[in-house]
Amino acid sequence: DAGVTQSPTHLIKTRGQQVTLRCSPKSGHDTVSWYQQALGQGPQFIFQYYEEEERQRGNFPDRFSGHQFPNYSSELNVNALLLGDSALYLCASSQTGQIYNEQFFGPGTRLTVL
Amino acid sequence: AQKVTQAQTEISVVEKEDVTLDCVYETRDTTYYLFWYKQPPSGELVFLIRRNSFDEQNEISGRYSWNFQKSTSSFNFTITASQVVDSAVYFCAFSNTGKLIFGQGTTLQVKP
Repeated sequence: DAGVTQSPTHLIKTRGQQVTLRCSPKSGHDTVSWYQQALGQGPQFIFQYYEEEERQRGNFPDRFSGHQFPNYSSELNVNALLLGDSALYLCASSQTGQIYNEQFFGPGTRLTVL
Repeated sequence: AQKVTQAQTEISVVEKEDVTLDCVYETRDTTYYLFWYKQPPSGELVFLIRRNSFDEQNEISGRYSWNFQKSTSSFNFTITASQVVDSAVYFCAFSNTGKLIFGQGTTLQVKP
């Protein structure tokens, strides 16, 4: 049973560029959440997707957008990259209907903006 | 607004010592869930435990134990007889809507 997978593992971009990160949820999961973890900090919630729609959103600018596909996989897009966007981006999947909202995390994508 | 505070930034112990990681949360909700996650150097967050707000019974799993006290809004995590493999960053988290709100994390270093 494959867990949550993310690609790529590492990414280096320059300011102003755009980036797309990808996530495949754990088998049987239909909800995907994205988190940003800056160095030395706890993960911060970006947004959550369910049934191909954004269900919740954290305090992130519109430069951060996402998409969920019919197979439940998801993408995170960041436009006009800033140096401060350098972070570990974590994807988590869960199964809607579970009252305890247990989320399983992927290994993350480390984004460096130069 | 909900908030999770892990006051201990770093803890260093010698192998076989017991260590407690503190977690305090703030919320006005009556229904919520609390979690602990472990983040080894590889970066992946590993789920350790989940507790709902109506279950204050302490839990023990091997060398790990958790103490949930609603009266003090705390959800502390104790590792008994620590091992070098326990070295990692530990996060406490809160949830009541599906999104996780994390504390800043506590870096635990267990020395041989």
